[in-house]
Amino acid sequence: IAGITQAPTSQILAAGRRMTLRCTQDMRHNAMYWYRQDLGLGLRLIHYSNTAGTTGKGEVPDGYSVSRANTDDFPLTLASAVPSQTSVYFCASSEGGRAADTQYFGPGTRLTVL
Amino acid sequence: GQNIDQPTEMTATEGAIVQINCTYQTSGFNGLFWYQQHAGEAPTFLSYNVLDGLEEKGRFSSFLSRSKGYSYLLLKELQMKDSASYLCAVLDSNYQLIWGAGTKLIIKP
Repeated sequence: IAGITQAPTSQILAAGRRMTLRCTQDMRHNAMYWYRQDLGLGLRLIHYSNTAGTTGKGEVPDGYSVSRANTDDFPLTLASAVPSQTSVYFCASSEGGRAADTQYFGPGTRLTVL
Repeated sequence: GQNIDQPTEMTATEGAIVQINCTYQTSGFNGLFWYQQHAGEAPTFLSYNVLDGLEEKGRFSSFLSRSKGYSYLLLKELQMKDSASYLCAVLDSNYQLIWGAGTKLIIKP
């Protein structure tokens, strides 16, 4: 693994189903982030984690949950998917400790909720 | 509220120079980032400005004026591979990145 990986690459999901998007980084970065990107809108922060064992809410956290059991993994769970959660989801990481660190992005997961 | 404004789309000619502007109104300021995003791919880091002035990095330069809430990304000697979206993002007082919607740059031969 080099950098950040996300799985799945794409997914079509029925409304009401539970879904976990996976994110793994091998850069030993402390901070990790989940964004969604919708056409015509900027990236919007869903949840973040400044270090393993801690998480925080971003701009649009409703309907999503995260966990950070270790440094490398930061899964995002949709407990009961709704069509408005159709989007491209990007996971990102940064070294952490210094707030102006560059964020490095995974390749994204394209999610369609029907 | 917090707001980042960028043009939605710009067109330029291969070999030319293009300037992509970004204006911002945020609660606090701890720096401004520019990222490049090719269609269907992840954003990748281009530049970071926290002090006023011009930062040059090869064919790309980024300028910041904090008093005017303004930045621009300057791309010289445009190549076809520069066709992409360019995202402006500001680090606010809570050290969270606020993103603009991006500027889609189309390069024509």
